[in-house]
Parts: sequence; C-alpha cells; structure tokens
Amino acid sequence: AQKITQTQPGMFVQEKEAVTLDCTYDTSDPSYGLFWYKQPSSGEMIFLIYQGSYDQQNATEGRYSLNFQKARKSANLVISASQLGDSAMYFCAMRENSGYALNFGKGTSLLVTP
Amino acid sequence: KAGVTQTPRYLIKTRGQQVTLSCSPISGHRSVSWYQQTPGQGLQFLFEYFSETQRNKGNFPGRFSGRQFSNSRSEMNVSTLELGDSALYLCASSVGLAGGHRNEQFFGPGTRLTVL
Repeated sequence: AQKITQTQPGMFVQEKEAVTLDCTYDTSDPSYGLFWYKQPSSGEMIFLIYQGSYDQQNATEGRYSLNFQKARKSANLVISASQLGDSAMYFCAMRENSGYALNFGKGTSLLVTP
Repeated sequence: KAGVTQTPRYLIKTRGQQVTLSCSPISGHRSVSWYQQTPGQGLQFLFEYFSETQRNKGNFPGRFSGRQFSNSRSEMNVSTLELGDSALYLCASSVGLAGGHRNEQFFGPGTRLTVL
C-alpha cells in the first residue's frame, strides 16, 4: 500500500508568490518522521525540512515551512516568496520509527515562472 | 566538509553485463543506503550498510548486491543487467543506522545507468 501520496504531479507558481505542495501519509506507527526533499535536474536529493510526529509546532527552515495536520495525516510543504531556482521535483518522504528506509511519494514538479 | 560522492555519474551498459557503482559517504558517516529511482516506480530502497555489514534490504532480486569497506565507502553491484535496471541510483549516508525516524540522510548526486 502506498504510504506517501502526492496528488499534484505538476505545479506552476509565479516568482515571489507562495506555493503549497500537498502530501498525505499512511502509518499505524505512532512515532515517525516526515521529510521533504528537493531534486533539481542534476539529480541530487537535497534535504529541506523535517517534522517529527510528536513535534508540537510546525517545522520551519527559512522560506520552507511544513503545515503538519496529524489527525488528517497531512504534511504539506509551503514555500514562501518563490524563486526561479526553486524549480525542481519535490518529494515527501516518511520513515517510521520501526523502519529504516525512507518511503517516498511520487513527487511534484514545481515550475517557477518570472 | 565534502558531501556524498558517487562514481561514475553516467554509465551505459548492455543487457547481460554487470556493473559496479561506488559511493563515498560524508566523512564520519558510517551508514550508507542505496535507492533506485525510475519514472515508473519512483524511489525504492535497495539496501543499507553499516560497519561493513548489510543491515537492511529492500525488495529487489539477488542480482542486486553491495558491500561496504572499512572506510565506509560502499559499492553496489548489479549482475546480468536487464533493460528495467535503467535508473538513477542514489546513495545516502547518515551518521548512524538509518532507522529511527529523525536520522537525517544526505544524498549524493546519483549514478545514471542506462541499459541498452
């Protein structure tokens, strides 16, 4: 069963606007971590932000913030003030405390336009 | 501190051949995990090595194998290549074992393998 679902295959946003990338997950493990990675065309996966299941506050890292709604099992990434260099694939991933591998979603392709 | 490096970056092989990919983790990192990325299946976990021992394995056939050396560098081998093995192979390193939900993994740029 798919553990991570990213329903937006592609998104467009204008430079300087904010954009939200959706991610829902499925787990019965009460302890887990959620990650967002950025993958530019070069291929490297760049870590952006982490949210633990027990964290009380939504994670923030610079222009990235995570809208974590535990009851709805969603962990949406918000990018504020988009820049042209933000154009890339974005992957949501989860690791359960009982597991060892990252489970990735299919990704969302983001294109930032001038 | 240097990041995760992978060599070669690109590789073209023909069906039936074998291939070896290399990954050097960040200095001080002892865990190396390998992932396969294809357009159809997305990112899938292959295996993880820690202290020269395979600790965890994904759902891949025995043609996929790996090893880790005492300096934490890791190699991945695919024997009897098939067309479906064409993919981007990513390795990721972490300080300790990848388990535990907070353990952050740092990825390399990947090796793009094309099987003709």
